[in-house]
Amino acid sequence: QKEVEQNSGPLSVPEGAIASLNCTYSDRGSQSFFWYRQYSGKSPELIMSIYSNGDKEDGRFTAQLNKASQYVSLLIRDSQPSDSATYLCAVNLSGYSTLTFGKGTMLLVSP
Amino acid sequence: DAGVIQSPRHEVTEMGQEVTLRCKPISGHDYLFWYRQTMMRGLELLIYFNNNVPIDDSGMPEDRFSAKMPNASFSTLKIQPSEPRDSAVYFCASSSGVYQPQHFGDGTRLSIL
Repeated sequence: QKEVEQNSGPLSVPEGAIASLNCTYSDRGSQSFFWYRQYSGKSPELIMSIYSNGDKEDGRFTAQLNKASQYVSLLIRDSQPSDSATYLCAVNLSGYSTLTFGKGTMLLVSP
Repeated sequence: DAGVIQSPRHEVTEMGQEVTLRCKPISGHDYLFWYRQTMMRGLELLIYFNNNVPIDDSGMPEDRFSAKMPNASFSTLKIQPSEPRDSAVYFCASSSGVYQPQHFGDGTRLSIL
């Protein structure tokens, strides 16, 4: 049973706060992890890739990977209303020939 | 560089009609993926190709769906006959490796009446 789990949300945060989005996965052997942002009515857009344990920062975004605990997180600092979107996590799970996507977490940033 | 290009952007047709969706991947990408997205089921992989060869079509819902990739720069997803439950957004994506990041087209919003 392939599993990439995300809380569907919505996660509501005020403007300027830190938004924390979480994703758990079922396979200890997974090596590739991606975060996508999808605005309503638009296509998924890649925002972060991470392959090693620890943190990876890109502007206001930080991806955190913990392979032992099988989770990957996305932190958005200084959240803006324009960050309001659905965030999809994608992971390569052993035994499956392509990436597996979670169902996404909806983030709402209020002014 | 041009991204993944899909056409049409919107398609509205009547039940029983044939529907053809088209995709041009990013040049140099060897993998092409077709997805369907609905509120209920999220993003579902239908089929993917490597070097124009279908590798995994286990996500194709039934025989009414078919996909082809006649060359490295073009793929089609066909539904014949179409049914109202096929209404969804269909995305095409491409990548340089099966576990590399996938880049999505703008999608085709399909409505079957």
